[in-house]
Amino acid sequence: ILNVEQSPQSLHVQEGDSTNFTCSFPSSNFYALHWYRWETAKSPEALFVMTLNGDEKKKGRISATLNTKEGYSYLYIKGSQPEDSATYLCAFLRSNYQLIWGAGTKLIIKP
Amino acid sequence: EAQVTQNPRYLITVTGKKLTVTCSQNMNHEYMSWYRQDPGLGLRQIYYSMNVEATDKGDVPEGYKVSRKEKRNFPLILESPSPNQTSLYFCASSITGTAYYEQYFGPGTRLTVT
Repeated sequence: ILNVEQSPQSLHVQEGDSTNFTCSFPSSNFYALHWYRWETAKSPEALFVMTLNGDEKKKGRISATLNTKEGYSYLYIKGSQPEDSATYLCAFLRSNYQLIWGAGTKLIIKP
Repeated sequence: EAQVTQNPRYLITVTGKKLTVTCSQNMNHEYMSWYRQDPGLGLRQIYYSMNVEATDKGDVPEGYKVSRKEKRNFPLILESPSPNQTSLYFCASSITGTAYYEQYFGPGTRLTVT
């Protein structure tokens, strides 16, 4: 099984500050990279599906970049709000059918 | 409302007692998948299905069975549950027959096997 690593494991951020975290994945046989947001007691919800080296995607205050050659993706949150508190998951598509998931970065926003 | 439903949401059972967790989606999605989530680990895929009557093993299939007789349903069967199958289970679906596009998740089933 190929490994997908997410860092840090958890992160405390002051409300209003910006933050970012990392997803590292194998740089060979790349198909796609997914980002999801998972709030406590809810189901994971898709943020982005990234496919091309150099991809940048944005949804409101959240954005992501992708480097397939070196095997990493960054997720950025600008001006963190309490509702951003969640676990952020990334998943590497290693074939047409199988996603390999990282363990997530748990983000806690302090008011 | 477009959604993936799972039942039951919570289940406590005993070792060896066969159980089924149902999963249904109303979005006409081709791809469906089962995951288990354990503390400190990423989601691990149990089985997936590319379309009706097409299923395959994921990374942790031992002790589980699935079937896909209708497009909307993808039940997970534990023939003889054991305590190491205590976990949070998610069903997910995606529009095409691959995992390329975003996954839509069910609410999860928390299973405890004593």
